[in-house]
Amino acid sequence: GIQVEQSPPDLILQEGANSTLRCNFSDSVNNLQWFHQNPWGQLINLFYIPSGTKQNGRLSATTVATERYSLLYISSSQTTDSGVYFCAVEAFGNEKLTFGTGTRLTIIP
Amino acid sequence: SAVISQKPSRDICQRGTSLTIQCQVDSQVTMMFWYRQQPGQSLTLIATANQGSEATYESGFVIDKFPISRPNLTFSTLTVSNMSPEDSSIYLCSVRVYEQYFGPGTRLTVT
Repeated sequence: GIQVEQSPPDLILQEGANSTLRCNFSDSVNNLQWFHQNPWGQLINLFYIPSGTKQNGRLSATTVATERYSLLYISSSQTTDSGVYFCAVEAFGNEKLTFGTGTRLTIIP
Repeated sequence: SAVISQKPSRDICQRGTSLTIQCQVDSQVTMMFWYRQQPGQSLTLIATANQGSEATYESGFVIDKFPISRPNLTFSTLTVSNMSPEDSSIYLCSVRVYEQYFGPGTRLTVT
């Protein structure tokens, strides 16, 4: 099946810093989503982005499908951004979302 | 979008018992998905449940251990049977309405 790797696995930043999270996948995809799992375990949808670039406030994402990677940018980090960020993909012909390994982000005041 | 609720939100169970988790969606959906998240790990798909047919299980998961019901287009249950401490996880229900949405999860601890 499709493999999804995220980097870095852990990231600790001061409040106000910017960060870039990466997601690499091993096959062509027709769906790619970014989620934020908050400290209470809730998965929050951030982006549905199988290709192209999207922005939502301080967050933006870019997927380069031909090169099989996606990037999530977080600017001016806040403590509420802490948690685990997951990338999840759906390969063509396979209606199942496969999750990446996750990036644990900790924002220090 | 979709709004998903799960019951119970958390439970502590004894080894050898079973727990049934309920998932309710605010709209009719064809497929519902059940995921498991073990402590400190990513999410793993357990099975896909279509209304009116047997659930399709992923490698490593079997119906005897994780029986699933799907009586209608807005509801599903997952039972974790004959539990052991290794079953301690968060169990999440999910649906796809253009993009995929997840319920709040059921945090299960087996002692």
